[in-house]
Amino acid sequence: DIQMTQSPSPLSASVGDRVTITCQASQDISNSLNWYQQKPGRAPELLIYDASNLETGVPSRFSGSGSGTDFTFTISSLQPEDIATYYCQHYDNFPYSFGQGTKLEIK
Amino acid sequence: QVQLVGSGGGVVQPGRSLRLSCAASGFTFSNYGMHWVRQAPGKGLEWVAAIWYDGSLKYYADSVKGRFTISRDNSNNTQYLQMNSLRADDTAVYYCARGSGYYSGVCDYWGQGTLVTVSS
Repeated sequence: DIQMTQSPSPLSASVGDRVTITCQASQDISNSLNWYQQKPGRAPELLIYDASNLETGVPSRFSGSGSGTDFTFTISSLQPEDIATYYCQHYDNFPYSFGQGTKLEIK
Repeated sequence: QVQLVGSGGGVVQPGRSLRLSCAASGFTFSNYGMHWVRQAPGKGLEWVAAIWYDGSLKYYADSVKGRFTISRDNSNNTQYLQMNSLRADDTAVYYCARGSGYYSGVCDYWGQGTLVTVSS
């Protein structure tokens, strides 16, 4: 089974900062990677699919990159409404799995 | 608009069974694969199971294989998760989610979640 490792957690940043989260897969998953945002008490929401494609309606300050085993999620300018936990998820083969999550806090 | 409404959660004793439902609307249900994802209290997300658009293929996490069964009724736009031999570590909010295509692993819409508590 493929293991997904996210870092850092937690992450503290200021409004306007550029924020980067990394996700590493235990084996090559090509670009079969999603990023989700989850706010407290809410269901997750899809932000990025296929490692770098922005889901419709998601602000352009969110972006993703990477392929193979190493992936990056970036918020170009942190906004107060971005406070949430972020998860990567692979779908290269079954069973799918999520990273442990990165809780983003305002400094 | 796409809606997924989960139901069937509750408190159940260890070893007992429970069936969750997820009613879909706002899209052609029979054209999309579906998933279940769970989240234990204060913990991260765990993928649980997936079913292809026509119900022909089903996949499970190792932690639930042999105990849980995913199914769907395309005539009623509903997917199910039959959970048997429940254990305390199955306690979680269970989310149903739509795959973005026939076989997709991209979960583009999620239900609100239904809480399952396994306790004596």
